[in-house]
Amino acid sequence: DVKVTQSSRYLVKRTGEKVFLECVQDMDHENMFWYRQDPGLGLRLIYFSYDVKMKEKGDIPEGYSVSREKKERFSLILESASTNQTSMYLCASSLGSGQTSTDTQYFGPGTRLTVL
Amino acid sequence: AQKVTQAQTEISVVEKEDVTLDCVYETRDTTYYLFWYKQPPSGELVFLIRRNSFDEQNEISGRYSWNFQKSTSSFNFTITASQVVDSAVYFCALSGSSGNTPLVFGKGTRLSVIA
Repeated sequence: DVKVTQSSRYLVKRTGEKVFLECVQDMDHENMFWYRQDPGLGLRLIYFSYDVKMKEKGDIPEGYSVSREKKERFSLILESASTNQTSMYLCASSLGSGQTSTDTQYFGPGTRLTVL
Repeated sequence: AQKVTQAQTEISVVEKEDVTLDCVYETRDTTYYLFWYKQPPSGELVFLIRRNSFDEQNEISGRYSWNFQKSTSSFNFTITASQVVDSAVYFCALSGSSGNTPLVFGKGTRLSVIA
């Protein structure tokens, strides 16, 4: 079974703090994704990566950055957390082949981040 | 641009009733993929099905069935004899075949099954 894990289920941070959300997958997947989920807005793509050290902006990259130094790990970074970044963050991975992204995405359990 | 519409925001049914969740999509790609995911209260999205645009056969898996109709750009999901454990938010998603086209999700339908 594919396993995608996220470092925390719940996280509380203060405005202005630098926040790291970690995601690890154990299936040697090429592609990894970060989404945020908000009531009424569904899932929105923040960043994704097709390979180590590669990253692509999604629909809402502002205020976020990512890092993929190893194939199995994809980190989402909030450089200076703000209250409007309070949300559920979901990581996903898919098998991938080059730059295609039509493979099934498998999701982690999510991190519910609250910024005070 | 690709788009997925799930017009039903919330549905409530009594246990053992059948329920259909609607999904309508828009794409200019001739090859594309459609997905359904379930998100129970625990929060994790669980993959249910993946269907490519060339396969219009209906799919049945236990109490779940999917009706894919290209003519109406719909990929509807039916739960037969619903159970309380089916209570969740269900998402329909679309992916094109060209590179750099991640999943586009609908806003989800919250299904409540009442005992």
